[in-house]
Amino acid sequence: EVQLVESGGGLVQPGGSLRLSCAASGFTFSNHWMNWVRQAPGKGLEWVANIKRDGSQTYYLDSVKGRFTISRDNAKNSVTLQMNSLRVEDTAVYYCARLTWSPSDRSDGYDGPYRNLDFWGQGTLVTVSS
Amino acid sequence: DIVMTQSPDSLAVSLGERATINCKSSQSVLYSSNKKNYLAWYQQKAGQPPKLLIYWASTRESGVPDRFSGSGSGTDFTLTISSLQAEDVAVYYCQQYYDSPPGYTFGQGTKLEIK
Repeated sequence: EVQLVESGGGLVQPGGSLRLSCAASGFTFSNHWMNWVRQAPGKGLEWVANIKRDGSQTYYLDSVKGRFTISRDNAKNSVTLQMNSLRVEDTAVYYCARLTWSPSDRSDGYDGPYRNLDFWGQGTLVTVSS
Repeated sequence: DIVMTQSPDSLAVSLGERATINCKSSQSVLYSSNKKNYLAWYQQKAGQPPKLLIYWASTRESGVPDRFSGSGSGTDFTLTISSLQAEDVAVYYCQQYYDSPPGYTFGQGTKLEIK
């Protein structure tokens, strides 16, 4: 069974830092791009960042560039999001989400990020407030 | 950046009736070389994470009931629930995965309720 379990959320003051973790199980973690997506209270979904299967490429939402860093450890089946210089507007539930990698992608040797998200964790709440 | 706009923002439909949600992208998400539309639909029930329903605009994810269908191409897309069930009450989001560098923008969501 595919599982993504996020941890590390909490209350932090503006300007502070927080490190989120996502533990993956039930699938070959190193086969998938991994993502963080957030949802502010009562609002819609906003993609935040992702990282390639081997960690060699990362992409970020413009508003978090230079403040957030995504990384992964394929030996531990985990992905992290280091969040620095946090702002009130970063308050949200942060979801870890897997990018799909289909059998046809495998046979074609496709390795890019232009695919849908196919599985999400339950999320962890980050509250930035003084 | 590609902007995704859904309509309506909320929708109330009677049990057993058809529900239709629209999604429009600010530019085409049809990739000419493979003729695929880089568009997905997700369902989010209260207090739960999103769940993938449809990808490539019209391919149903494994395990998703066949009352859910996706259609459209280019910039205009539709999610249809052919016969609304009580368990379909949720917020539905469209999302593009065409943009380069990747941005994976979502629509604002459509809240579906029972009339």
